Amino acid sequence: AQKITQTQPGMFVQEKEAVTLDCTYDTSDQSYGLFWYKQPSSGEMIFLIYQGSYDEQNATEGRYSLNFQKARKSANLVISASQLGDSAMYFCAMRELDGTASKLTFGTGTRLQVTL
Amino acid sequence: GAGVSQSPSNKVTEKGKDVELRCDPISGHTALYWYRQSLGQGLEFLIYFQGNSAPDKSGLPSDRFSAERTGGSVSTLTIQRTQQEDSAVYLCASTITAGGPSLQYFGPGTRLTVT
Repeated sequence: AQKITQTQPGMFVQEKEAVTLDCTYDTSDQSYGLFWYKQPSSGEMIFLIYQGSYDEQNATEGRYSLNFQKARKSANLVISASQLGDSAMYFCAMRELDGTASKLTFGTGTRLQVTL
Repeated sequence: GAGVSQSPSNKVTEKGKDVELRCDPISGHTALYWYRQSLGQGLEFLIYFQGNSAPDKSGLPSDRFSAERTGGSVSTLTIQRTQQEDSAVYLCASTITAGGPSLQYFGPGTRLTVT
């Protein structure tokens, strides 16, 4: 069974600073994908970044980067130059890439608050 | 193009009543998923449909929950004899294919409140 752990229920960061949101995972699969989603107060789930288990380079998307440490089974999200609009819930998720079992398994989320 | 749409956006119902929640996936997406998000929690998988294959119902919490997908497009999640613990946001997602790193696109959700 897959499991995602996000140990930070809440985080604060000052505007323009960088912040790291932690995510560890547990799986016996060899081929899997890791996702980060942002959920603002409006409720929609916004895809941020994806990392495949066989990708050798850490994924980057604009101000978002994923610090992937496979041996430690961690996939931390780094947001650089935080903006007020980054205040939201952030969810780490994973999915097996082989076979037909393709549901996403989510962590419990981290609420990020960006302050002036 | 249009994204995933869900209706209603909010539903308040009395305990014991049945409810139907609707999801319209992105056109051409073959896989459709239902998730539930209880207050302050992450998303919990309920069921997914892939083309004409039998759905994966492994996440449905009880036999009061059922879902169908008609014509490979629109899906309806039905909750019978609703209980207060069914109160949550129900999110639908679709993806062009179930395999590989295909991105799941989420709808805005239906907030269900059982009184």
